[in-house]
Amino acid sequence: NAGVTQTPKFQVLKTGQSMTLQCAQDMNHNSMYWYRQDPGMGLRLIYYSASEGTTDKGEVPNGYNVSRLNKREFSLRLESAAPSQTSVYFCASKSGGDLKNIQYFGAGTRLSVL
Amino acid sequence: QKEVEQDPGPLSVPEGAIVSLNCTYSNSAFQYFMWYRQYSRKGPELLMYTYSSGNKEDGRFTAQVDKSSKYISLFIRDSQPSDSATYLCAITDSWGKLQFGAGTQVVVTP
Repeated sequence: NAGVTQTPKFQVLKTGQSMTLQCAQDMNHNSMYWYRQDPGMGLRLIYYSASEGTTDKGEVPNGYNVSRLNKREFSLRLESAAPSQTSVYFCASKSGGDLKNIQYFGAGTRLSVL
Repeated sequence: QKEVEQDPGPLSVPEGAIVSLNCTYSNSAFQYFMWYRQYSRKGPELLMYTYSSGNKEDGRFTAQVDKSSKYISLFIRDSQPSDSATYLCAITDSWGKLQFGAGTQVVVTP
């Protein structure tokens, strides 16, 4: 019963390097989300995908791009990493039509940009 | 000003004590109110949700919502060391977006 799986779990980048964070869910959910979590800031939405084929910006999208590859997978790309992007990144998913918006989270990717 | 405010703590209590956590919110259009629990180096997991004013109990946990004051609370009775975690309040707005509080770190000491 995997739920939401994120890879990698840890990553260290140098400023200017690029990388893609991967996320996959096996719950047949329509909606998927990318958040970052910083001390004292809580969870902030970067991008989301309400359904396969659609993506929208969240609260803090600058410096990131996303791809909804299929219903299961939603990736987050950092084209040119900056130290301000050092954070813990969480992927989440939600069943379509759920008005309560209960989201299920992965274990996170801890990213350090030097 | 954030739409959902939560004291980050840390909140340290002895085992067996009642833990009281609170959030305030500014938007009266918020509809669903949730509490997530996050253990260290893990993702948040849903603990409880409610959509109306009043209390909802689940074992040792009670969620309370006061819409007139825009105030939500979570109480943990008979706290255990295994309750040590960060607790995040989360509220769904009328557009279906989830707004999180900053999270309160709770430490229950044996």
